[in-house]
Amino acid sequence: DVKVTQSSRYLVKRTGEKVFLECVQDMDHENMFWYRQDPGLGLRLIYFSYDVKMKEKGDIPEGYSVSREKKERFSLILESASTNQTSMYLCASIPLLGYGYTFGSGTRLTVV
Amino acid sequence: SQKIEQNSEALNIQEGKTATLTCNYTNYSPAYLQWYRQDPGRGPVFLLLIRENEKEKRKERLKVTFDTTLKQSLFHITASQPADSATYLCALEWTGGGNKLTFGTGTQLKVEL
Repeated sequence: DVKVTQSSRYLVKRTGEKVFLECVQDMDHENMFWYRQDPGLGLRLIYFSYDVKMKEKGDIPEGYSVSREKKERFSLILESASTNQTSMYLCASIPLLGYGYTFGSGTRLTVV
Repeated sequence: SQKIEQNSEALNIQEGKTATLTCNYTNYSPAYLQWYRQDPGRGPVFLLLIRENEKEKRKERLKVTFDTTLKQSLFHITASQPADSATYLCALEWTGGGNKLTFGTGTQLKVEL
């Protein structure tokens, strides 16, 4: 089975800190995605990547950036964390478009 | 703008009955629709995918229908069990949407003994 691993289950950071969320998949998938999930708003796409060094903005990219230096790893960066970025962050991957997504277990980030 | 609607109220049913969850969408020309299961504090788990030219898809006790005229998908769990209790998410990728999957907010299902 494909495994998508997110480096932390829970994180607490201070306002203004630079935060790195790491995601690794082990099945050579081309496409990787970062979502955040908030009550009543569902999953919202932040950024996605079709290939190494490629990135595309999702629906809510403001305040975030991403890095994909290797195929298996997709990092989400909060340049200067703010309290409104407190959320559950979910990484996902697929081999090709038109397939079901495999999600990681999520990182619950609290910014204080 | 595109919108996906799932019933925000929890659905409570008795064990052994069929659970039916609804996903409605507006302003999409969907390429395909997916259903996921999500347990509290966990990431969603993919269940089924149905393409725009398919009417119905089955997998074990699960069945999905897709009506592009009504702009609706129904998700059925037959012979439901307490272990089926979770939140179920509908997601759409639409033609011209830039190959992105957009999710509904989910419906919580509770199966009682």
